Amino acid sequence: KQEVTQIPAALSVPEGENLVLNCSFTDSAIYNLQWFRQDPGKGLTSLLLIQSSQREQTSGRLNASLDKSSGRSTLYIAASQPGDSATYLCAVTLTGGSYIPTFGRGTSLIVHP
Amino acid sequence: NAGVTQTPKFQVLKTGQSMTLQCAQDMNHEYMSWYRQDPGMGLRLIHYSVGAGITDQGEVPNGYNVSRSTTEDFPLRLLSAAPSQTSVYFCASSPRRDRQGSEAFFGQGTRLTVV
Repeated sequence: KQEVTQIPAALSVPEGENLVLNCSFTDSAIYNLQWFRQDPGKGLTSLLLIQSSQREQTSGRLNASLDKSSGRSTLYIAASQPGDSATYLCAVTLTGGSYIPTFGRGTSLIVHP
Repeated sequence: NAGVTQTPKFQVLKTGQSMTLQCAQDMNHEYMSWYRQDPGMGLRLIHYSVGAGITDQGEVPNGYNVSRSTTEDFPLRLLSAAPSQTSVYFCASSPRRDRQGSEAFFGQGTRLTVV
């Protein structure tokens, strides 16, 4: 069974810092990995999707990397802003099995002015 | 393009009542799924479907029923509501693997309270 772990569980930083959020998974036979953002009381918004053949994806100030051999992905947020405050979730879909993503518990981020 | 639509957004049930949470997607996605989100537990898979007429159980299926008679709709039925089913429910859809990298899209959630 795939297990997905996100570290840290919570993070509070001052505005302007560069951040790294970590996601690890136990089964390296993944099809893709997706990072989501969730604002309080809201749904999930897809940030970045990395296919198993890719090493990284970038969107604006966000960069996600994937290392299948070590079972890790990182989400890098450059020059953090208060508007980045949210919970960030990592989801992994395996090559076999249900074809449905398995989620980590998320990292709750607060960026204070 | 509406994406994934869930109804209702909020619901209060009494213990023992039954109800159906609705989920519809207009992206012609093959895969659909239901998760529940509880504090400190992340999202846990309840049931999923890889196509019309095909459903399977996820991690926490007890007390829930699903069917998939069309590609667009994937309703979740609570058979006899219990306080332990108080949660936020999310529906998701994604295309099959040779389309768009199988990126998952989520609805806005249904917040359910069972008293």
